[in-house]
Amino acid sequence: NAGVTQTPKFQVLKTGQSMTLQCAQDMNHNSMYWYRQDPGMGLRLIYYSASEGTTDKGEVPNGYNVSRLNKREFSLRLESAAPSQTSVYFCASSESGGVNEQFFGPGTRLTVL
Amino acid sequence: RKEVEQDPGPFNVPEGATVAFNCTYSNSASQSFFWYRQDCRKEPKLLMSVYSSGNEDGRFTAQLNRASQYISLLIRDSKLSDSATYLCVVNINYKLSFGAGTTVTVRA
Repeated sequence: NAGVTQTPKFQVLKTGQSMTLQCAQDMNHNSMYWYRQDPGMGLRLIYYSASEGTTDKGEVPNGYNVSRLNKREFSLRLESAAPSQTSVYFCASSESGGVNEQFFGPGTRLTVL
Repeated sequence: RKEVEQDPGPFNVPEGATVAFNCTYSNSASQSFFWYRQDCRKEPKLLMSVYSSGNEDGRFTAQLNRASQYISLLIRDSKLSDSATYLCVVNINYKLSFGAGTTVTVRA
């Protein structure tokens, strides 16, 4: 039982490049989330998907897009990376919104030069 | 104002000591509360939920004060393995808001 997996673990991009962060969960959870974590800021919600087929903006959605490909997979895309998007990105899942425990993936460390 | 605020610490304590810290939240409509633990360069993991009546899980005790809008965590008989960052988490409208974390270092 892998839980929540994320790829890649590390990535370095140049300003303006695009990339997609992949996330998958094998716990049959309905809800999935993308966060970014910056020093001193705590985790901030980028986008979430309350259930398959729905996506909603979180606190810091600008510069990102998401796709809930199916119940298992939720991807995050940076269309034109900027240095301000240098961060650690965590994907999480839960049975349903907020009231349940969220399980996190190991994170993707992204640097944009 | 941040929705969830924590003293960043660090709290540096000897093994066996008791350490306690709080977090405050700004939205009185917050529905549920949690403490997560995050080890260095790792993902957050649920430590415990926080209930209105207060609750214990082994050496960890969590308290909720809705009137003053703060949550506390107390760790008794600290172990080296308790060294981590503790994240205060509040559920607001079915989304979680995270504090920036309180760092605890337990020394031998």
